[in-house]
Amino acid sequence: DVKVTQSSRYLVKRTGEKVFLECVQDMDHENMFWYRQDPGLGLRLIYFSYDVKMKEKGDIPEGYSVSREKKERFSLILESASTNQTSMYLCAGRGAAYSPLHFGNGTRLTVT
Amino acid sequence: GQQLNQSPQSMFIQEGEDVSMNCTSSSIFNTWLWYKQDPGEGPVLLIALYKAGELTSNGRLTAQFGITRKDSFLNISASIPSDVGIYFCAGQLRRDDKIIFGKGTRLHILP
Repeated sequence: DVKVTQSSRYLVKRTGEKVFLECVQDMDHENMFWYRQDPGLGLRLIYFSYDVKMKEKGDIPEGYSVSREKKERFSLILESASTNQTSMYLCAGRGAAYSPLHFGNGTRLTVT
Repeated sequence: GQQLNQSPQSMFIQEGEDVSMNCTSSSIFNTWLWYKQDPGEGPVLLIALYKAGELTSNGRLTAQFGITRKDSFLNISASIPSDVGIYFCAGQLRRDDKIIFGKGTRLHILP
């Protein structure tokens, strides 16, 4: 199974700050995903990547960007954090196309 | 776009009771997945289903891939306190590799 590690469990940032959320997977697999989770809205896909230096927009990419410089690391970037980006952020990886996602423990971000 | 309707939204049960929840869609899926999320944690994969009609167990959990490929069911037998959490279904489409998540069923166990 893919093991996915998110570097921070909790983050508190101020409005306007640049925020980096880091995610690492321990297998040599290509597919990685970033979701945010909000009460009543479920899981929403922000960005995903099928290979190094490759990125695709998900359903709600506005206000976010991503970086995939190495296969094992997929970073989510909030260029200028806003209060409506307060949320639980979940990174996921998988071993092959069409196989199940494996999630990290999540990063709960609060923007004040 | 595709949507998954997961029900019930929440359940309050007594310890020892059996639990049933389901997901339905107007779309046909190639894979159904069931996850559990504990408070403050990420979702953990419980069961993956790949074939219409497939019935798969994982301990006290049993899930089925509906024969129409538009629905899936998860049953938990003899619930225990650590079953508390949110259960998510997800359907996966092979043609575009899109993964659709249900909004979750929150399970509460009464003392």
